[in-house]
This record gives sequence, structure tokens and C-alpha cells, in this order.
Amino acid sequence: GQNIDQPTEMTATEGAIVQINCTYQTSGFNGLFWYQQHAGEAPTFLSYNVLDGLEEKGRFSSFLSRSKGYSYLLLKELQMKDSASYLCAVGAYNTDKLIFGTGTRLQVFP
Amino acid sequence: DGGITQSPKYLFRKEGQNVTLSCEQNLNHDAMYWYRQDPGQGLRLIYYSQIVNDFQKGDIAEGYSVSREKKESFPLTVTSAQKNPTAFYLCASSMGTSGPETQYFGPGTRLLVL
Repeated sequence: GQNIDQPTEMTATEGAIVQINCTYQTSGFNGLFWYQQHAGEAPTFLSYNVLDGLEEKGRFSSFLSRSKGYSYLLLKELQMKDSASYLCAVGAYNTDKLIFGTGTRLQVFP
Repeated sequence: DGGITQSPKYLFRKEGQNVTLSCEQNLNHDAMYWYRQDPGQGLRLIYYSQIVNDFQKGDIAEGYSVSREKKESFPLTVTSAQKNPTAFYLCASSMGTSGPETQYFGPGTRLLVL
């Protein structure tokens, strides 16, 4: 079966660091994506990991461990505008399809 | 200015009525997708198309239909058979070369039942 788990909600303080975890169990794996979605808007692409390790992109970093079926998104120097939902999605093997988790709603407080 | 457009932004449907949601892209992408998003839930795949004149059912295709007559366009019809159509509908596209590619999303259409 296909299963992607993320925490439903998280809160953090402006300027802090937050880590959003994602675990997956899928029949086949071909990369893991992170998207950001502000309320009422479309998801926007943040990062893609296909090999184990850390990918850094400015304030955002994403980590993948394929053997553990685990990824995290790390957000540093949090800003109020980072309040959004963060979606973890796994690429299904040999197709163009993505399987999305339910998303983690992050609220950043002053 | 490349991107994906969806229209309308809001759509109202009466009981027993079919409605069509538009999705157009000028990114020259081969693959296009339709997702439905309900509050507190992730994106669920309705239909996808990897090439013109071909499309496949996703996880929740019942009550929906699509066509892919042109590379740029992938309209979604919500039929009267879809009993709970109120949701946020997102269209996406990707290069679709081989295996998963980054999907780029349109702004979405919010469908409400009167």
C-alpha cells in the first residue's frame, strides 16, 4: 500500500528553526518532493531529493534517508510569511504520478 | 510569461448540473494532472494525462471526466454523478519526460454547490 505520514500541525516562533518530518511507505520510490501551500493558494515547489543526504537551499533544507523511508524539511530563521502548509510527496516508480501526504500546517508566532 | 492558468476562480454548481473547469499551460509540458483538495486532507489525484489524446484515471475519478485534445489544455468536467463536489480543484503540469518530475500548479478553482 501507499502511506505518507506528516504531523498535522506545528507551531514555532519567529527567528527559530523548525523541522517537519515525513515518513513514507510506498510501492516503489522515485524521489521525494516538498511543497509549500499558503491558505487558499496553489502549492509551490520547495525541494526534491532522490539520493540520501541533505539538500540546502537558502533558509530551507531537505533531508532524505531511503533506507528508513524518512525525510525532513528544515526551516531556519523563521519568518511570519513561512506560516503555511508543507506538503510531502513521493514520486511513484516508473510513472509521473506523485503521492501526497496530508500536509503539515505551520504557524509562526511573533 | 509562462505558467498555468485555471478559470474560473470560483464556480457554483446547481444540483444535477455538469460544470467544466478550465486548465491551460504554456510551459510546453507533456504531462498534466487534476487534483482535488478537501479541508484537512492532502491532494488526491482525479485524472492525469502524459500525452495528448491519452489520459488515465487517478484515485478518485468517479463522477469526473477529462479530455486532452491539445497539449496546452486539460479541462475537467464535474458531472452530476459526483455527489460531493464541493472542494478546491488544482491543475498541475510537468515535463513528463520519464519518472516523476516537479509539478507546477495553477491557482486553483473553488467549486461550491448551491
